[in-house]
Amino acid sequence: QKEVEQDPGPLSVPEGAIVSLNCTYSNSAFQYFMWYRQYSRKGPELLMYTYSSGNKEDGRFTAQVDKSSKYISLFIRDSQPSDSATYLCALYLIQGAQKLVFGQGTRLTINP
Amino acid sequence: NAGVMQNPRHLVRRRGQEARLRCSPMKGHSHVYWYRQLPEEGLKFMVYLQKENIIDESGMPKERFSAEFPKEGPSILRIQQVVRGDSAAYFCASSPVPGLAGEGDEQYFGPGTRLTVT
Repeated sequence: QKEVEQDPGPLSVPEGAIVSLNCTYSNSAFQYFMWYRQYSRKGPELLMYTYSSGNKEDGRFTAQVDKSSKYISLFIRDSQPSDSATYLCALYLIQGAQKLVFGQGTRLTINP
Repeated sequence: NAGVMQNPRHLVRRRGQEARLRCSPMKGHSHVYWYRQLPEEGLKFMVYLQKENIIDESGMPKERFSAEFPKEGPSILRIQQVVRGDSAAYFCASSPVPGLAGEGDEQYFGPGTRLTVT
């Protein structure tokens, strides 16, 4: 079983739709959660990070963490064609290994 | 504030040659991480370094791969005697000093080096 599971998609939605991207994880020791956006042939760009259960909002993006269910989500409101990219969840242990464990990434396309 | 810099951006090597990938962290960052992204796969951790010190190399293949972060200059990921299976995108990330409660744990990535082995 992978430490982090993420549906690779592809996911295609019309412009303006609300997008929901999700990851599940198996190790309850993960305490710190990040979402990265990666455009084709570019490096991952940090979008959001949080270390507590609940919601964190930044503009059109909302990150949600449910530690009891080991489930994290990223919501994109009013999606734009420029949001078309691969979205990667990444998990981190606060103590111990200083490394990110990534999901496979979900390829998202926003259609004008 | 310049971001993480990597060079070269593209590198072509023939089987058996050596590949050297360089990474300069963001200003003020003293921790460097290397990740590898194979086609259609997520990023996999390779190694975590501080200046003159390898902290965690649990993701590094046992042979042919090595990494360093000298006191002066960029971090280097070195692959000796490359094989076709080494073809991938190699990303470097940096962070400030990791702290408690998540402060300083966020990692910022460079644009990557795309290695092609022919």
